[in-house]
Amino acid sequence: DIQMTQSPSSLSASVGDRVTITCRASQSISSYLNWYQQKPGKAPKLLIYAASSLQSGVPSRFSGSGSGTDFTLTISSLQPEDFATYYCQQSYSTPWFTFGPGTKVDIK
Amino acid sequence: EVQLVESGGGLVQPGGSLRLSCAASGFTFSSYWMHWVRQAPGKGLVWVSRINSDGSSTSYADSVKGRFTISRDNAKNTLYLQMNSLRAEDTAVYYCARDAGCSSTSCYYGTFDYWGQGTLVTVSS
Repeated sequence: DIQMTQSPSSLSASVGDRVTITCRASQSISSYLNWYQQKPGKAPKLLIYAASSLQSGVPSRFSGSGSGTDFTLTISSLQPEDFATYYCQQSYSTPWFTFGPGTKVDIK
Repeated sequence: EVQLVESGGGLVQPGGSLRLSCAASGFTFSSYWMHWVRQAPGKGLVWVSRINSDGSSTSYADSVKGRFTISRDNAKNTLYLQMNSLRAEDTAVYYCARDAGCSSTSCYYGTFDYWGQGTLVTVSS
């Protein structure tokens, strides 16, 4: 099984900050990496697919990069509505898809 | 507008059964793989099961294999999850999710582009 890790597990940031979240796969997954945002009591929302492609309707302050085993999600200027938990997910090992443990972004 | 609406959750005793439904609208349901993903209280997301577009192929996480059955009725635009021999550790919010599938240029199987609001399953005596 492919294991996914994320760092940090949580972070505190201020509005306007640049935020970077890292995701690492236990083996190479090429660019088969997706990012989701989840707010409390809500369903996850797809932000980035295929490591760096922005899902339709997602603000351009979100970006993704990486390939192989190391990936990053960057929020260029944190907005109040961005405080949430972020999950990475590998779609390489079809159909046994695995998520990272999540990174909670809260207000400093 | 794509909509996925889950139902069927509730409180069930250990060893009991429950069937979840996910009603789909706003897209050609019969053209897409579908998934169930669950989230235990305060925990992360875990993929549970997948079914292909015509229902001929299914897959399960090891934790539910042999106890859960995913199915679909394309005439009714509805996805199902039959859950038997339920355990306390199955307590979670269960989400149905659409697989992004293929565009005109590339395929993104295993990318969950739309999600339902979730239905809570509680397994407790």
